[in-house]
Amino acid sequence: NAGVTQTPKFQVLKTGQSMTLQCAQDMNHEYMSWYRQDPGMGLRLIHYSVGAGITDQGEVPNGYNVSRSTTEDFPLRLLSAAPSQTSVYFCASSRGPNTGELFFGEGSRLTVL
Amino acid sequence: AQSVTQLDSHVSVSEGTPVLLRCNYSSSYSPSLFWYVQHPNKGLQLLLKYTSAATLVKGINGFEAEFKKSETSFHLTKPSAHMSDAAEYFCVVSDRASGTYKYIFGTGTRLKVLA
Repeated sequence: NAGVTQTPKFQVLKTGQSMTLQCAQDMNHEYMSWYRQDPGMGLRLIHYSVGAGITDQGEVPNGYNVSRSTTEDFPLRLLSAAPSQTSVYFCASSRGPNTGELFFGEGSRLTVL
Repeated sequence: AQSVTQLDSHVSVSEGTPVLLRCNYSSSYSPSLFWYVQHPNKGLQLLLKYTSAATLVKGINGFEAEFKKSETSFHLTKPSAHMSDAAEYFCVVSDRASGTYKYIFGTGTRLKVLA
């Protein structure tokens, strides 16, 4: 059972480049989300989705786009990378708030030069 | 809006002594609360969860937490620390306040276990 799969695990970008972090889950979870983890700041919510076609902003959405065309996939797009976006990114899914815990991917370490 | 405050950024204990990691939350509705652990350069693992059932929740590896609504707290405890408990711990709150569906993390507590 794969759970939550994130790719790539590591990526180095130059300022201004674009990229997409991929996230897929095979648990039929309606809820999916993206977090970034920075030292001393915990995990901060970027965007989340409660089902296919429905997305909403989290705590730190600026500079990131998401879409949810299927239940399984929830990609995170950086349109024009900035050094401030250097971070570790986690995708997570659940049956939904108040009904279940988050299941996490292994993380993607992004460095923007 | 919901929020989480982890009162200590670092906690040091000696092996074999009790562990207390403190968490206070703010939530407009009945929250769900979780504790996650992250070992160095690893992903996040669920320790335990509270979802409006028993207020004393037991988790993996001997950890437990008590939900106290009057104190808006969900502190994590363990009777006897082990070296393998050294990690970062995150308290998480979720609810459906105001039509939002968010899991909000605290800033984390790094636990150090001394031999």
